[in-house]
Amino acid sequence: DAKTTQPTSMDCAEGRAANLPCNHSTISGNEYVYWYRQIHSQGPQYIIHGLKNNETNEMASLIITEDRKSSTLILPHATLRDTAVYYCIVRVGDYGQNFVFGPGTRLSVLP
Amino acid sequence: GAVVSQHPSWVICKSGTSVKIECRSLDFQATTMFWYRQFPKKSLMLMATSNEGSKATYEQGVEKDKFLINHASLTLSTLTVTSAHPEDSSFYICSAHSGAPYEQYFGPGTRLTVT
Repeated sequence: DAKTTQPTSMDCAEGRAANLPCNHSTISGNEYVYWYRQIHSQGPQYIIHGLKNNETNEMASLIITEDRKSSTLILPHATLRDTAVYYCIVRVGDYGQNFVFGPGTRLSVLP
Repeated sequence: GAVVSQHPSWVICKSGTSVKIECRSLDFQATTMFWYRQFPKKSLMLMATSNEGSKATYEQGVEKDKFLINHASLTLSTLTVTSAHPEDSSFYICSAHSGAPYEQYFGPGTRLTVT
């Protein structure tokens, strides 16, 4: 699986959009970009995933660059409950393999 | 989404004792379950992979005789930490996969403290 790099930490004001970047310059053509988050002392929570097109769901939007070497997770209106560690994971489609978690980005949403 | 539960959510045990953690898939059958360990301020690390009815596959550096994994049914996997030591204190998380694409779900985790 391709390696990802994310900023160690970010702050965001409550109500504003949180834009979390992820670099994955060695991504392969059959690898997806997944985003999970982990709120303190809880299990990881799935947010979104995509291959090359931008994706949106009720939680977030995922913007993948045309060359697929980087992506951005967007939380459109961050709330205090979005404070968590966000993990960007690149891997082939989910057919039963484990996920490999990096250090992630610690997002702090500030009042 | 599907629900995966873990029991207990937290446990304190004395050094030298054994403790069992259960991971259940509540509304689907899990052909594969994964066990992760997470130390404070660190990321999740895969410990082992278990498939129903077969022996677990352990990651390098994880002692299979210390961390016993049983995946006896399609909805239950257990992790038993034998002869626990304080350095085994950690957050243990399971995930369950149904076998269908994109159906893998994480449990809420179990906090183990060994005194």
